[in-house]
Amino acid sequence: SQQGEEDPQALSIQEGENATMNCSYKTSINNLQWYRQNSGRGLVHLILIRSNEREKHSGRLRVTLDTSKKSSSLLITASRAADTASYFCATENYGGSQGNLIFGKGTKLSVKP
Amino acid sequence: DAGVIQSPRHEVTEMGQEVTLRCKPISGHNSLFWYRQTMMRGLELLIYFNNNVPIDDSGMPEDRFSAKMPNASFSTLKIQPSEPRDSAVYFCASSKGAPSTQYFGPGTRLLVL
Repeated sequence: SQQGEEDPQALSIQEGENATMNCSYKTSINNLQWYRQNSGRGLVHLILIRSNEREKHSGRLRVTLDTSKKSSSLLITASRAADTASYFCATENYGGSQGNLIFGKGTKLSVKP
Repeated sequence: DAGVIQSPRHEVTEMGQEVTLRCKPISGHNSLFWYRQTMMRGLELLIYFNNNVPIDDSGMPEDRFSAKMPNASFSTLKIQPSEPRDSAVYFCASSKGAPSTQYFGPGTRLLVL
């Protein structure tokens, strides 16, 4: 069953602009993760934020988590053409089986040079 | 490390034939996941193993699908008999400990004619 719902489904921006993707979920979580998938490839882990954290940075990535609203956002700053990919949020649910992640349907990001 | 290895990378078969997909997880990882990805349904968890034991197979579509993990370094997903609606990309992923970050293989692109 789907837990995370990403918004928007698709996003098109110019190189250099910032890209913001949102994820909403339904149940209590242990952590929330963001993954990237380039066309024709497997998913690649980007960043993990625990339920007791509110913000996390990794290079040009910034993730926020609001557990009261059950939502997260992924910000990619100064986007590049190479950032073109689909981005998925995934939740490890509180009380769920260890290691099992529930993935959303993804946001398709297109960065135009 | 070589990462998660999947074989074959592409498979074209005719309806009714048996299909076997193979996965070698990252050494030392104790959880293994099989996913199916289609445009219509997104990324679906089929089954996952913890320490070689199937934990949740509720995502397996029907009795035509079966999965095994005879040891910590090998898993198979079998479809018998295959149907055109099984056409999809099948991913294997592995993880270790908690919090769980999943490492995905490159996927097997299956086409059933």
